Amino acid sequence: KAGVTQTPRYLIKTRGQQVTLSCSPISGHRSVSWYQQTPGQGLQFLFEYFSETQRNKGNFPGRFSGRQFSNSRSEMNVSTLELGDSALYLCASSTSGTDEKLFFGSGTQLSVL
Amino acid sequence: AQSVTQLGSHVSVSEGALVLLRCNYSSSVPPYLFWYVQYPNQGLQLLLKYTSAATLVKGINGFEAEFKKSETSFHLTKPSAHMSDAAEYFCAVGRGGATNKLIFGTGTLLAVQP
Repeated sequence: KAGVTQTPRYLIKTRGQQVTLSCSPISGHRSVSWYQQTPGQGLQFLFEYFSETQRNKGNFPGRFSGRQFSNSRSEMNVSTLELGDSALYLCASSTSGTDEKLFFGSGTQLSVL
Repeated sequence: AQSVTQLGSHVSVSEGALVLLRCNYSSSVPPYLFWYVQYPNQGLQLLLKYTSAATLVKGINGFEAEFKKSETSFHLTKPSAHMSDAAEYFCAVGRGGATNKLIFGTGTLLAVQP
């Protein structure tokens, strides 16, 4: 069974641009969560999608958004990039999202210059 | 509000020595607690989880953790460290008891000396 796939692996953008990251969950998993990992703030929950609906949201500004498609693939978008958005963005999937083990992808390393 | 505190951002042990990584939690509801490991340039991998069943939880790669409610702790241990255990370890608590929105500790980087 293939794992969680995140693309691209690395991304370099400049301030003010927008970026879209993609996550393909494990087959059969309907819950997809996104986390931001930085050296200063550690791992922080962004949001979770289940059956194409945002079910949970962390404390991030509206510049961070996401969506989930009918095949459970998910994208997250960051608009008007800031230097502080440089981070490793991790996607995790699970079957239902409750009382389930999370499977993480290898992440997308975003650098904002 | 829920939170976790990992004591010691860096821990160094000798190969074959006991590994002890500390985690204390704060939760107003019965917590779901987790330990994850992250190897360089990789995502997180679940080592073990506590979801109110047995207080001593056995995980992968010889790791185990004991839930102690009286001490609000969930420390991770391994009797004998291997070089391959060198990685960053994260303790996490499930927000509101759910596992799909985790609050992570700041991580402990484990170094294993030959």
